[in-house]
Amino acid sequence: RKEVEQDPGPFNVPEGATVAFNCTYSNSASQSFFWYRQDCRKEPKLLMSVYSSGNEDGRFTAQLNRASQYISLLIRDSKLSDSATYLCVVGYRSNQFYFGTGTSLTVIP
Amino acid sequence: DAGVIQSPRHEVTEMGQEVTLRCKPISGHDYLFWYRQTMMRGLELLIYFNNNVPIDDSGMPEDRFSAKMPNASFSTLKIQPSEPRDSAVYFCASSLAGGPYEQFFGPGTRLTVL
Repeated sequence: RKEVEQDPGPFNVPEGATVAFNCTYSNSASQSFFWYRQDCRKEPKLLMSVYSSGNEDGRFTAQLNRASQYISLLIRDSKLSDSATYLCVVGYRSNQFYFGTGTSLTVIP
Repeated sequence: DAGVIQSPRHEVTEMGQEVTLRCKPISGHDYLFWYRQTMMRGLELLIYFNNNVPIDDSGMPEDRFSAKMPNASFSTLKIQPSEPRDSAVYFCASSLAGGPYEQFFGPGTRLTVL
């Protein structure tokens, strides 16, 4: 079983739409959670950390459900520039992360 | 800061040849990570170092792969001999200690083994 699982998509949504991604993880001892963004043929970059209480950064909201072992990312009012692959990341020790295979998002004009 | 630097950016080689990938982490970062990314398997952690010492190499696929970090500003990932199934994008990343902190990735090396 994979450490981190994501729906690969692709998600094709119109501009202005709201889209949500979910990610599940297998190890209940996981300590840290993140969403990274990866543009085509580029390196992954941190989008946001995910805190137990949930957190919001502009149009982006991240949630963590420890009981069900999943994290989510909600993007409101989608922009063309949001088109990318979104990677769910789970950490078991202070600096060791496991990455999901990513969810592809295309925002359509 | 220039960020994490990797070289070469692209490498095309023939099966059986030795390949060496290079990485310069961000100055002051204590952790360095090597990842491999393929469409099928996504981003896989191969090995990581803390203060130049390898901490976990359980992700290294087999003995053909080796990694070194002779000093705080340089690391290499070597594949010898290379095989077509090693074709992938190899990323190096670095982060501060005491985390979990953001990992900063280099631009990657796109390796093709013919």
